[in-house]
Amino acid sequence: DAEITQSPRHKITETGRQVTLACHQTWNHNNMFWYRQDLGHGLRLIHYSYGVQDTNKGEVSDGYSVSRSNTEDLPLTLESAASSQTSVYFCASSERPGGEQYFGPGTRLTVT
Amino acid sequence: KQEVTQIPAALSVPEGENLVLNCSFTDSAIYNLQWFRQDPGKGLTSLLLIQSSQREQTSGRLNASLDKSSGRSTLYIAASQPGDSATYLCAVRNTDKLIFGTGTRLQVFP
Repeated sequence: DAEITQSPRHKITETGRQVTLACHQTWNHNNMFWYRQDLGHGLRLIHYSYGVQDTNKGEVSDGYSVSRSNTEDLPLTLESAASSQTSVYFCASSERPGGEQYFGPGTRLTVT
Repeated sequence: KQEVTQIPAALSVPEGENLVLNCSFTDSAIYNLQWFRQDPGKGLTSLLLIQSSQREQTSGRLNASLDKSSGRSTLYIAASQPGDSATYLCAVRNTDKLIFGTGTRLQVFP
């Protein structure tokens, strides 16, 4: 069955370190998204991509970057982790830009 | 700026009750609205998606309605079960982005 996976599921890192969170989907969807979920804020969009070599900033993109070298993967990089980036990160994909989104299981990141 | 509100924030009901979860949004110019379920420590599972031209969608015991002009959607759960316990999120699409509410945490007790 097609699916979307994220790794690692849990990560603890120190302030200032570079961290990369992986997202991999086997639906062959062109559209992929990264969100963070925090208490009191719900899910907020970080970055998104509509295809290979396409990336766009979302609502809370500062301190994050993405790259899209193939259809299946959209890694999220924190260039210099900050304590404010402690959160749960979700990756999602959709067949069409405005279509139903399917979510991965999430990565819980703690920055100490 | 689109804002999405879900009321109540938490709900506890006995098994078998029919219940309604509410979602309201400030900008009626939406393309669609999606309801999700989130179990503790897990990702989001899509339940229903309603296009802006639709009034409702049904899946099993779930029925979602959309009133775009008043900026409201409801998720109706019939004959609730303990397995329905989860957080329910609604999200509206403006242009190419999903804007999420903060969710309703539902507990159904036996």
